This record gives sequence, C-alpha cells and structure tokens, in this order.
Amino acid sequence: GAVVSQHPSRVICKSGTSVKIECRSLDFQATTMFWYRQFPKQSLMLMATSNEGSKATYEQGVEKDKFLINHASLTLSTLTVTSAHPEDSSFYICSARAGTGGQPQHFGDGTRLSIL
Amino acid sequence: GENVEQHPSTLSVQEGDSAVIKCTYSDSASNYFPWYKQELGKRPQLIIDIRSNVGEKKDQRIAVTLNKTAKHFSLHITETQPEDSAVYFCAASNDYKLSFGAGTTVTVRA
Repeated sequence: GAVVSQHPSRVICKSGTSVKIECRSLDFQATTMFWYRQFPKQSLMLMATSNEGSKATYEQGVEKDKFLINHASLTLSTLTVTSAHPEDSSFYICSARAGTGGQPQHFGDGTRLSIL
Repeated sequence: GENVEQHPSTLSVQEGDSAVIKCTYSDSASNYFPWYKQELGKRPQLIIDIRSNVGEKKDQRIAVTLNKTAKHFSLHITETQPEDSAVYFCAASNDYKLSFGAGTTVTVRA
C-alpha cells in the first residue's frame, strides 16, 4: 500500500520551456502533498506544501510564479516549472501524506530535470 | 523553524557490524521522527518511524531510540549487509512538515 506515482521520470528540454510534473497517490487519498528539490549528494529541500483545493504554501526563497503547484484532487498534484533555465536543473520529488503530520510521507520516484 | 542535525555524514562498516546514526532536533513541538533510506537516483523509502510518546522501536535489524528531553534520536542497524549501503536521512515533524537531516552515506564493506 501507500504507492505514489510520479511522472515523468526524466525530462531534457531547451531553456525557456515549461515542464509539468505529475504526482499521484494510487491507493490512498492524500490530504497533503509536498514538493522537494534535491541537489546531488544533498538533502531534500522542501519547496512547497499543498492541500487539496487550496493554494500551495511555499517555503522562503521559492518563487511561486516560477514553480506553479496545483492540487486539484485528493490523488493528484502537479508542479509546473515555468520558463525553465539551466539553473532549474535538479531532481524533483513529490510526496503524499494521508491525515495529519504524525502520518508518514510516501515519496514518488522523482523527476530528473535537465535544461539545456 | 525546526533544525535537524545528523551525524556522521559518512559511515563505513564491515559487513556484520553495527551502524549507528545520530540526529538532534531543535523544536520541542516535534512529535514524529521517521527515517528514510535512499539509494542512488531513487526515491527515499521509509524504513522506520517513531512518535514522541515512545522511547524505542525495533523492526528486525533496525531500531530507533528517542530521547525527548535531550532532543535526540538515533538509528541502529545491526548485522549490516551490503544491501544496507545507501544514504539515510532522519527527519522531524511538528504536525505540519518534515525537516530533514543532511544525510549519512553508509557503506558496508564485504
């Protein structure tokens, strides 16, 4: 149980392109979904938290107009990197949680984004 | 906000020996402490977690201890095997979001 699917797994595109990443909870309803960014050999950096039907809460320093998050249902959240540039290249991982903060977060497989 | 410190950053152990990773947290309101294992290029996988009303939890070769007074918690892996080689992250949660430690790269030597 507690499977989270994330697509695509790998994206290579030109600078200026917008890229959408999907995160789905397959066998549970995700009250909250989280989006992280991870640089090589570093920890997970929380970008934003989203609750179904609400606007996402962004962490300090994360541009909300650059990283658009939509959480339209209890099983789907999307992250759109708008007008991506090489500095946006990274490993993006989503996680989903049922219930409150005392419940585990389950992670997707991540998306490796490379902007040329 | 919450600050989680994790030590050591790298750990090399002989197969069959034990591995211990230690974390400290700053927010006394944190009440949930999961540990994740991440292999290269893959998703973090929850391996064990503990809540603030429990001092110790064990699952086969893995155990976690929590000292709320001192605000530290530890991961213990016994009888290590080559497949235990990975990066391990501790985290602390205050009912809102997880704050992760910097990670420990564990290498089990055959």
